[in-house]
Amino acid sequence: GQQVMQIPQYQHVQEGEDFTTYCNSSTTLSNIQWYKQRPGGHPVFLIQLVKSGEVKKQKRLTFQFGEAKKNSSLHITATQTTDVGTYFCGLTGNNRKLIWGLGTSLAVNP
Amino acid sequence: DGGITQSPKYLFRKEGQNVTLSCEQNLNHDAMYWYRQDPGQGLRLIYYSQIVNDFQKGDIAEGYSVSREKKESFPLTVTSAQKNPTAFYLCASSASGSGTDTQYFGPGTRLTVL
Repeated sequence: GQQVMQIPQYQHVQEGEDFTTYCNSSTTLSNIQWYKQRPGGHPVFLIQLVKSGEVKKQKRLTFQFGEAKKNSSLHITATQTTDVGTYFCGLTGNNRKLIWGLGTSLAVNP
Repeated sequence: DGGITQSPKYLFRKEGQNVTLSCEQNLNHDAMYWYRQDPGQGLRLIYYSQIVNDFQKGDIAEGYSVSREKKESFPLTVTSAQKNPTAFYLCASSASGSGTDTQYFGPGTRLTVL
């Protein structure tokens, strides 16, 4: 069955440093979604990627979908303390079922 | 104001008691989901429902039960058979049951069993 790996599990950065989390699938995906969960909060949808090689930006966040549609990344430029939280990827394969990554927890030192 | 509500935010129960967690949505979504979240374990699917009066087991359904009598409501009962019920429980909904739909989450219920 479809397996998903999200790395790293934890990341600690100084404010102003960049941050990247990666999601890798064992099978080809139909789409990928990214969510953010603040400490003590609930996951909130950030973006969905559908096309091979797609790149989308939201201010300091850049989302990429791999050419083979098997991996994706979320990159944050110049992190701020407001970026603290856990970032989850949700992957959908040809069976139309959503599989969640385990998340990457980001801590930012001011 | 549309969204998903879960109540209560914090819940304490004695071991051996069943407890029901509430989830209501006014987004007119067909699909609803229950997840359990433990530290470092991500989101694990307990049950989901794609339509009223129908639901399916997720990956960790043992010790839990649900009902979907109304489109807006999807309550979760944590039974005494659940061995480690202390966790953060999240309810979500989506327009349909397709994995490509955005899921909207409620604020969660933190259950502690003493």
